[in-house]
Amino acid sequence: DAGVTQSPTHLIKTRGQQVTLRCSPKSGHDTVSWYQQALGQGPQFIFQYYEEEERQRGNFPDRFSGHQFPNYSSELNVNALLLGDSALYLCASSPGLADYEQYFGPGTRLTVT
Amino acid sequence: AQKVTQAQTEISVVEKEDVTLDCVYETRDTTYYLFWYKQPPSGELVFLIRRNSFDEQNEISGRYSWNFQKSTSSFNFTITASQVVDSAVYFCALSANTDKLIFGTGTRLQVFP
Repeated sequence: DAGVTQSPTHLIKTRGQQVTLRCSPKSGHDTVSWYQQALGQGPQFIFQYYEEEERQRGNFPDRFSGHQFPNYSSELNVNALLLGDSALYLCASSPGLADYEQYFGPGTRLTVT
Repeated sequence: AQKVTQAQTEISVVEKEDVTLDCVYETRDTTYYLFWYKQPPSGELVFLIRRNSFDEQNEISGRYSWNFQKSTSSFNFTITASQVVDSAVYFCALSANTDKLIFGTGTRLQVFP
């Protein structure tokens, strides 16, 4: 039973560029959430997708957008990258919208230079 | 406002010592969930436990135990007879009325042989 997978593992981008990160949820899970974890900090909630719609959003600018596909996989897009966007981006999946435990993927380490 | 505070930034112990990680939370909701996650150097967040606000029973799982006290808004985590493999960053998290997780800043535990 595969857990949550994310790609790529590492990514280096230049300021102003755009990036797309990908996530496949754990088998049987239909809800995907994205978190940003800056160095030395706890993860911060970006947004959540369920039934291909954004259901909740944290305090992140519109430069951060996402998508969920019919197979429940998800993408996180960040436009006009800033140096401050450098972080570990974590994807979490859960079997629904209630307060289920969320299972996290290994993350994508984004470095913006 | 909802908030999780982990006042201990870093704890160092010698193998076989017991160690307690503190977590204090704030929420006005009467229904909420509390979580602990472990983040080893690989970066992936590993789910440890989820408790709801109506269940104050302490829980033990092998060398791990959790003490939930609503009167002091605390959800502390104890590792008995610590091992080197317990070295990681541990996060306490809260979700209330929504399943987005609000994380504390984490406690880095170092267990020396």
